[in-house]
Amino acid sequence: AQSVTQLGSHVSVSEGALVLLRCNYSSSVPPYLFWYVQYPNQGLQLLLKYTTGATLVKGINGFEAEFKKSETSFHLTKPSAHMSDAAEYFCAVSDRQGGSEKLVFGKGTKLTVNP
Amino acid sequence: GAGVSQSPSNKVTEKGKDVELRCDPISGHTALYWYRQSLGQGLEFLIYFQGNSAPDKSGLPSDRFSAERTGGSVSTLTIQRTQQEDSAVYLCASSERTGLEAFFGQGTRLTVV
Repeated sequence: AQSVTQLGSHVSVSEGALVLLRCNYSSSVPPYLFWYVQYPNQGLQLLLKYTTGATLVKGINGFEAEFKKSETSFHLTKPSAHMSDAAEYFCAVSDRQGGSEKLVFGKGTKLTVNP
Repeated sequence: GAGVSQSPSNKVTEKGKDVELRCDPISGHTALYWYRQSLGQGLEFLIYFQGNSAPDKSGLPSDRFSAERTGGSVSTLTIQRTQQEDSAVYLCASSERTGLEAFFGQGTRLTVV
C-alpha cells in the first residue's frame, strides 16, 4: 500500500520568509498527489494537486508544489509567508494499487507564522 | 446540495452506547470516504466507497465500526458499544471520481464520556 510521510509535525517561520513543507510518498505506480489545508476549526480544502503533466503545480494563495519522481517527493512551498497561512497542512496520495484508489493522508504539519 | 453535509455536528454519548453518523455527499459524486481525525494523529482512513464496487474497509479499527452507503448516495457510519478512545472528529468526503478533488464535510465531533 502507498504511504505518505510529512517531515516535521510543526514548522515555524517568520512573516515574509519562505515556507517549505516536506512530503514524501511511497508508490510503485505513478501517483496522484494532493495538498490540503485546514484552518483552525474549519474543514479541509484543496490547495493543489498533481495527476499528470507539468510537475510544478500552482495552487491557491500563492502555494506551489513540485512532483519529483526520482526523490518520491511533493514538497509544498510559498515564497513569502503571511500570517493568514497559519494552519495545518496535509499531503495525500491516491492509492492506485490493489484496486482501491482511496486517498491516504500524512499526519499533517502545523504551520505557525510569527510576526 | 452545495457541499458535503454531515450530521450531527457534535455528539456526546455514554460509553457503551451505539452511535450513527450521517454523511450526505455532493450529488453525483461516486466516491465517498470516511476518516477519523484525532489530535496529533492526522487523518486516519476508515472506509472508501466507489460506485457499485465493494467498499474498501481496510481502515476500520475494529468490528464495532461499520458503514453503509444506500443508493450510492447517503452514507452512515455506525460505532457500536462506544469506547472513550473513539472520541475524535469523523470526517466524510466525496469526489466525482477517483483522482479528482475530494470535498470534505465539516465533520462530526464525537465525545464518549
